[in-house]
Amino acid sequence: DVKVTQSSRYLVKRTGEKVFLECVQDMDHENMFWYRQDPGLGLRLIYFSYDVKMKEKGDIPEGYSVSREKKERFSLILESASTNQTSMYLCASSLWAPGETQYFGPGTRLLVL
Amino acid sequence: QKEVEQDPGPLSVPEGAIVSLNCTYSNSAFQYFMWYRQYSRKGPELLMYTYSSGNKEDGRFTAQVDKSSKYISLFIRDSQPSDSATYLCAMTLPPSAGKSTFGDGTTLTVKP
Repeated sequence: DVKVTQSSRYLVKRTGEKVFLECVQDMDHENMFWYRQDPGLGLRLIYFSYDVKMKEKGDIPEGYSVSREKKERFSLILESASTNQTSMYLCASSLWAPGETQYFGPGTRLLVL
Repeated sequence: QKEVEQDPGPLSVPEGAIVSLNCTYSNSAFQYFMWYRQYSRKGPELLMYTYSSGNKEDGRFTAQVDKSSKYISLFIRDSQPSDSATYLCAMTLPPSAGKSTFGDGTTLTVKP
């Protein structure tokens, strides 16, 4: 079974703090994704990566950056957390092939005070 | 206008009911269609996957794709309280190789 793990289930941070969210997958998938999920807004893609050190902006990259130094690990960084970044953050991975489905981690609920 | 529109819900049905969940889309190039199920406080998990038009059945679940109408549906027969979850439709363009466009999700509650 594909396993995608996220470093924290719940996080509470202060405005202005730098926040790191880590995601690890164990199935040698090329693609990795970061989403945020908010009520009424669905899943919104922040960034994705199709290879080590490669990244592409998704629909809402502002205020976020990412790092992929190893194939299995994809980090999301909030440079200076703000209250409007309070959300559920979901990581996913997939193979690089047409029609491949995504496997999601359990999510991190981030509260920025 | 979003590329993928999903019936917003929420939907509440009695146990045993037939449930129909629906999505429409605007890009006729979508070829791969998925339904994910997301339980509360969990990540989405793949439920059904279909390629192009047609029906696919898996136990109590049937996924239907009508490319001519740009419409996909998920039917749940004999719904159970354990089916209570948010259902997300998703679809992929052939060159996107694993990158999908998601609907906003429909929350279903099945009451015993």
